[in-house]
Amino acid sequence: TQLLEQSPQFLSIQEGENLTVYCNSSSVFSSLQWYRQEPGEGPVLLVTVVTGGEVKKLKRLTFQFGDARKDSSLHITAAQPGDTGLYLCAGSIYNFNKFYFGSGTKLNVKP
Amino acid sequence: KAGVTQTPRYLIKTRGQQVTLSCSPISGHRSVSWYQQTPGQGLQFLFEYFSETQRNKGNFPGRFSGRQFSNSRSEMNVSTLELGDSALYLCASSAKGQGNEKLFFGSGTQLSVL
Repeated sequence: TQLLEQSPQFLSIQEGENLTVYCNSSSVFSSLQWYRQEPGEGPVLLVTVVTGGEVKKLKRLTFQFGDARKDSSLHITAAQPGDTGLYLCAGSIYNFNKFYFGSGTKLNVKP
Repeated sequence: KAGVTQTPRYLIKTRGQQVTLSCSPISGHRSVSWYQQTPGQGLQFLFEYFSETQRNKGNFPGRFSGRQFSNSRSEMNVSTLELGDSALYLCASSAKGQGNEKLFFGSGTQLSVL
């Protein structure tokens, strides 16, 4: 059983559409990170959130950490083909450098 | 600054053999973590080393072991390989090894066990 449940598992959308990816848990995390991974490469960090209720924006990407620090969401506005990839959330408990990863959301943005 | 380097990139072994994977972290980074990535289980934490000491460990059998050298380079070893050990093994480094730090991942070693 995964500590972090990520949904949806797969998402195939047209360029220009909006989407939201969810990351949920019953555990409280001291920090939560979002990564994007492309085939044949390691994950690349997009953002780290540490405060409950925190919202961070990275161009067309908006990240939110739940008030209770048990869940997070990633919203992409006007998706582009370059956004295609595997999106992973990862949480740390007690600020240990041991991350629990969600199962990932495979996003395909069609031109 | 050079990124995290993992060698080899691909490896094919047979059941029962052992394998050693290598990871060179970003210069100045003292923490090195190892993760196993499979289609079924996703990314799972193996262990983390900081200043040559194992600080955190995941739920993997004792066949999986690792070490870190004084220059922060790390190796992981898997003995008595099983078919289920086929996976992408990822190494990540960070400066201080804290949970709110940025992890820098290597491209991984793709291990196939036949």
